[in-house]
Amino acid sequence: GAVVSQHPSWVICKSGTSVKIECRSLDFQATTMFWYRQFPKQSLMLMATSNEGSKATYEQGVEKDKFLINHASLTLSTLTVTSAHPEDSSFYICSARMAGEYYEQYFGPGTRLTVT
Amino acid sequence: SQQGEEDPQALSIQEGENATMNCSYKTSINNLQWYRQNSGRGLVHLILIRSNEREKHSGRLRVTLDTSKKSSSLLITASRAADTASYFCATDTTGANSKLTFGKGITLSVRP
Repeated sequence: GAVVSQHPSWVICKSGTSVKIECRSLDFQATTMFWYRQFPKQSLMLMATSNEGSKATYEQGVEKDKFLINHASLTLSTLTVTSAHPEDSSFYICSARMAGEYYEQYFGPGTRLTVT
Repeated sequence: SQQGEEDPQALSIQEGENATMNCSYKTSINNLQWYRQNSGRGLVHLILIRSNEREKHSGRLRVTLDTSKKSSSLLITASRAADTASYFCATDTTGANSKLTFGKGITLSVRP
């Protein structure tokens, strides 16, 4: 149980285009989902926290107009990287917290974004 | 911002040996969690230890927490080549609406 999927697993796009990444909780309802960014050989940096039905809370330094997050249902959150540039190339990982739980997060397998 | 700082940054051991990884943090925590990440993959939750706990076991894993020193250690006993991965500690500073702050990670290589 507690499986989180991400789609796509990797994507290559041209500079200036937008890319949408989906994060789904497959067998549980996730009231809260988190989006992280990870550069090669570095740690995960929290980008934003999204609660179902409300606006995402972005971490300091993360541009909300560039990284659009929509948590439309209890099983789906999307991250859209708008007008992507090469510096946006990174590994994006989502996680989900189960309704009623406070501590544990279940992580997706990640999405490798390469902007050319 | 990052809170946890693991050491060593890289560790290479022989299969069968024990691996000890340390994590230090700066602020008060509600709990501390350890995760494993295989190259280019997502994170796998290993173990969670609450601030009122001092030691916890799960299979070949042993985690300790010293809140007075703001540090934690992860011990993997009888290591296997399959344990080769990056290991992260993550601190959770609040109860409700909690979020995790990850350390920089330790790269563990287990030689067969």
